[in-house]
Amino acid sequence: ETGVTQSPTHLIKTRGQQVTLRCSSQSGHNTVSWYQQALGQGPQFIFQYYREEENGRGNFPPRFSGLQFPNYSSELNVNALELDDSALYLCASTFGQGWKTQYFGPGTRLLVL
Amino acid sequence: SQQGEEDPQALSIQEGENATMNCSYKTSINNLQWYRQNSGRGLVHLILIRSNEREKHSGRLRVTLDTSKKSSSLLITASRAADTASYFCATDGDPTRGGGSNYKLTFGKGTLLTVNP
Repeated sequence: ETGVTQSPTHLIKTRGQQVTLRCSSQSGHNTVSWYQQALGQGPQFIFQYYREEENGRGNFPPRFSGLQFPNYSSELNVNALELDDSALYLCASTFGQGWKTQYFGPGTRLLVL
Repeated sequence: SQQGEEDPQALSIQEGENATMNCSYKTSINNLQWYRQNSGRGLVHLILIRSNEREKHSGRLRVTLDTSKKSSSLLITASRAADTASYFCATDGDPTRGGGSNYKLTFGKGTLLTVNP
């Protein structure tokens, strides 16, 4: 077990709706990254938060946004859902910055109809 | 975009046999990591090899890294049915740069390993 949890485990939404996914990191892990994994693909980096500030972003539009809280939890928000947003969303946490092992949660599977 | 590319895409072997998966990447790295994923669930970290290391062992796992060829291999010895999973290599950023996105992991598409009992 990595000590990283995510909720919900599964979610079904319709196109145009908004969704919030949650992640709870290990205590002390002040860096959290979010990844999107489409079926049959490897995870793609969405963004990273360090000490509650966005600290890097991948090639995802602004309708993907996030928050990180002082209690080591974080959120991924996606507005105006599109069919292609259907994927497994993974959060990963670690302590501090630098090139380190990241500890992944079990993921939230989102289906957009 | 995908940085690492695993080869083969799928591998089917018998229990007890060894499994070898390869990964190639495109840009300079600081570390290369291998992860395992069962049935589309969370990723489990297996092993990290630094750019100045050539080989690393962990239990039944052996990882090699050739930075001149920008490639790595993962060997699982004496495979078990429980090893059935997808395996991904992941690279991080350019060691000459720092900050933010540079600490992201860039994954390949993975190798689906099936170990038959």
